[in-house]
Amino acid sequence: DIVMTQSPDSLAVSLGERATINCKSSQSLLYNNKNFLAWYQQKPGQPPKLLISWASTRESGVPDRFTGSGSGTDFTLTISSLQAEDVAVYYCQQYYSTPQTFGQGTKVEIK
Amino acid sequence: EVQLVESGGGLVQPGGSLRLSCAASGFTFSSHWMHWVRQAPGKGLVWVSHISGDGGTITYADFVKGRFTISRDNAKNTLYLQMSSLRAEDTAVYFCARGIGSGWFDPWGQGTLVTVSS
Repeated sequence: DIVMTQSPDSLAVSLGERATINCKSSQSLLYNNKNFLAWYQQKPGQPPKLLISWASTRESGVPDRFTGSGSGTDFTLTISSLQAEDVAVYYCQQYYSTPQTFGQGTKVEIK
Repeated sequence: EVQLVESGGGLVQPGGSLRLSCAASGFTFSSHWMHWVRQAPGKGLVWVSHISGDGGTITYADFVKGRFTISRDNAKNTLYLQMSSLRAEDTAVYFCARGIGSGWFDPWGQGTLVTVSS
């Protein structure tokens, strides 16, 4: 199974500042020039919500302050200007192979 | 609007059984792979099982093989998870999710809580 490791486990960022979440996979997720990686946001008491697929393709309706980047084994989710409604746990997920696996999650809070 | 609604969770004793359902609406159910993902209290997301649109391809996580059975009824737009020989470590919120493209999940249902305890 591919192991997904996120860092940090939690971070506190001031409103309007940048938040950066890292995700590392135990093997490359790159195939045919596409990275098989998604990012989700989960707010308390809610199911996860898809933010980004193919490592950097933002879903319709997702604010452009959310940006996915990276390739191969190292990926990043950046929130360019943190808003109060962005407080949540963020997960990366690989879909390169079954079983699809998730990172352990990164909790983002307001400083 | 695409919607997934789970039901069937509850309290069950160790060794017991439970069947979860996921009612789908707002999309062509038979065209999509469907998944079960679980989340233990305060923990992260763990994929459990998936089934292809026609039901012909099924895969399970190792930790549920032989105990859980995924199925679907495309005439009723409903996904199922039959769980047996339940253990305390199966306690979790179980989400159903629609598979998209090569394997990401969108959307997710609200989840149904399964508690295995005596």
